[in-house]
Amino acid sequence: NAGVTQTPKFQVLKTGQSMTLQCAQDMNHEYMSWYRQDPGMGLRLIHYSVGAGITDQGEVPNGYNVSRSTTEDFPLRLLSAAPSQTSVYFCASNRAGRSRDEQFFGPGTRLTVL
Amino acid sequence: TQLLEQSPQFLSIQEGENLTVYCNSSSVFSSLQWYRQEPGEGPVLLVTVVTGGEVKKLKRLTFQFGDARKDSSLHITAAQPGDTGLYLCAGVPRNTGKLIFGQGTTLQVKP
Repeated sequence: NAGVTQTPKFQVLKTGQSMTLQCAQDMNHEYMSWYRQDPGMGLRLIHYSVGAGITDQGEVPNGYNVSRSTTEDFPLRLLSAAPSQTSVYFCASNRAGRSRDEQFFGPGTRLTVL
Repeated sequence: TQLLEQSPQFLSIQEGENLTVYCNSSSVFSSLQWYRQEPGEGPVLLVTVVTGGEVKKLKRLTFQFGDARKDSSLHITAAQPGDTGLYLCAGVPRNTGKLIFGQGTTLQVKP
């Protein structure tokens, strides 16, 4: 099993550009999440999904869109990138859909917005 | 608003020393987790504590959940350079049901 995979690993954008961060998992997990990690702030939840076709907002959803058309994939879209979105983005999944269950994280995407 | 406060934020010690990292909140949590993250990688779960007063041990690491389920601690005995990394606590507040993370403790163990 590859676990949770994320692409790209690094990305530089100009202000106003759009892009999609890809996330895929091969563990048949129902629950998937996107976090951003900034120095001194831990991980903050952006959006999450409890199954295909179902998404909901987390703590910091503004400027991001998600969709979940399959169990395996959960892409994160930046509509119009801003410097405040410079961060490291992590995708995670967990098995049973309970928040307390172990989160399996991808390796992260380091995004810089100029 | 940071519901989970970790302390200290940075810790640099010599190999063989003991240390304790704290994770505190004014909220009650259904459970608390501890993750370890190495540079360039995602966090990896170390342990989940569920019951107030619970103590779990993982080799030289001891985790405790407070009796009131508002705090937790991670104690490392005889730290080794391989323990170097970012330690994150995470919990599910009873009133939200969503997992939140503390800001993390960066540990450096020097040989």
